[in-house]
Amino acid sequence: DAKTTQPPSMDCAEGRAANLPCNHSTISGNEYVYWYRQIHSQGPQYIIHGLKNNETNEMASLIITEDRKSSTLILPHATLRDTAVYYCIVRVVHQFYFGTGTSLTVIP
Amino acid sequence: ETGVTQTPRHLVMGMTNKKSLKCEQHLGHNAMYWYKQSAKKPLELMFVYSLEERVENNSVPSRFSPECPNSSHLFLHLHTLQPEDSALYLCASSQYWTGDNEKLFFGSGTQLSVL
Repeated sequence: DAKTTQPPSMDCAEGRAANLPCNHSTISGNEYVYWYRQIHSQGPQYIIHGLKNNETNEMASLIITEDRKSSTLILPHATLRDTAVYYCIVRVVHQFYFGTGTSLTVIP
Repeated sequence: ETGVTQTPRHLVMGMTNKKSLKCEQHLGHNAMYWYKQSAKKPLELMFVYSLEERVENNSVPSRFSPECPNSSHLFLHLHTLQPEDSALYLCASSQYWTGDNEKLFFGSGTQLSVL
């Protein structure tokens, strides 16, 4: 069972920030939120993860709400190569539960 | 390049064939995973090996048989498959299975078609 809910698709203009939302209302206090992306015909690629605090790395930022029931992945300056399916994942008792993800299309 | 290599990339087999998928990781990880990705469905965890011992088997039919001879190699042996087994089979690895901050590193997958 997927533990997350994401919109099935989104568009973003090239060079603009892409904000991908995720709901995980049943998350428990010690369960991490992960984001992965999958470009067609490749395996999923790790982007970022967090528990309670906001996180940033060279790829993206992760904003987690104070009640931890939702989060947003931010790609600050989307490029055409960011077109992919983005998965928000809650890790429960060592298992990564993937949903169906959000298909992000970056438009020139 | 993720450090996880899967072969073959594509495989077509008949329902009576026997074939094997191979995965090799060069990351020094201790846990390895098989996932199945069917069209329009979430990734499904099939098997987990930790330190070469199987620790998860998510109700996978016996026509799928995993093997982990060492911490760097993982195989999925296939026999008498059904057409509904056609899918992308993904291998992944992580430093440990039970750590809090684990990340999965995936291979590119084997696209399997069962005729």
